[in-house]
Amino acid sequence: GQSLEQPSEVTAVEGAIVQINCTYQTSGFYGLSWYQQHDGGAPTFLSYNALDGLEETGRFSSFLSRSDSYGYLLLQELQMKDSASYFCAVRDLSGGYNKLIFGAGTRLAVHP
Amino acid sequence: DGGITQSPKYLFRKEGQNVTLSCEQNLNHDAMYWYRQDPGQGLRLIYYSQIVNDFQKGDIAEGYSVSREKKESFPLTVTSAQKNPTAFYLCASSARSGGVSGANVLTFGAGSRLTVL
Repeated sequence: GQSLEQPSEVTAVEGAIVQINCTYQTSGFYGLSWYQQHDGGAPTFLSYNALDGLEETGRFSSFLSRSDSYGYLLLQELQMKDSASYFCAVRDLSGGYNKLIFGAGTRLAVHP
Repeated sequence: DGGITQSPKYLFRKEGQNVTLSCEQNLNHDAMYWYRQDPGQGLRLIYYSQIVNDFQKGDIAEGYSVSREKKESFPLTVTSAQKNPTAFYLCASSARSGGVSGANVLTFGAGSRLTVL
């Protein structure tokens, strides 16, 4: 089976940098994804890492270490609009079917 | 514009009633999913379908049923057997293949919020 762990809450101030960690346990690894969800809204895709290293997309970066079963999402130059929940997710191919399993989410609060 | 449409956005149900949540996509995606989200919680997979006329149970399928008669549509029925159905329900779709543009990138609908009275 699959399981993911991430902190439940993170707080930061505008302009700062914050890192949201995710550790996972999988029977087979096929990539780590990150999604953002604002209150009452739908999750939206942020990034995906299949290989070790850092992927950068504007103010957001995502890192993966497959040997440590660990990844993180790095948010730079924080803005108030970044206040949201962030979910890491892994793909599960057990039983020959392809589905995405999500962590419980990290609620980020950005303060002035 | 392509996307996923869920309806209704809000739904109230009396105990003992079945309700059906609609999910339609025009992204030409093969795979579709239903997730349930409770307040302050993550997304838990209810059912998923990789292709028309085929679907699989997720982690919390008890009390739910689905059908996939058309590629574009994946309705979810919340039956009276679901003991605690009040939740936010999210439908999503993706391509079948992996990678950044494939199965790891889910597009979600705006969600349906079900409340049992």
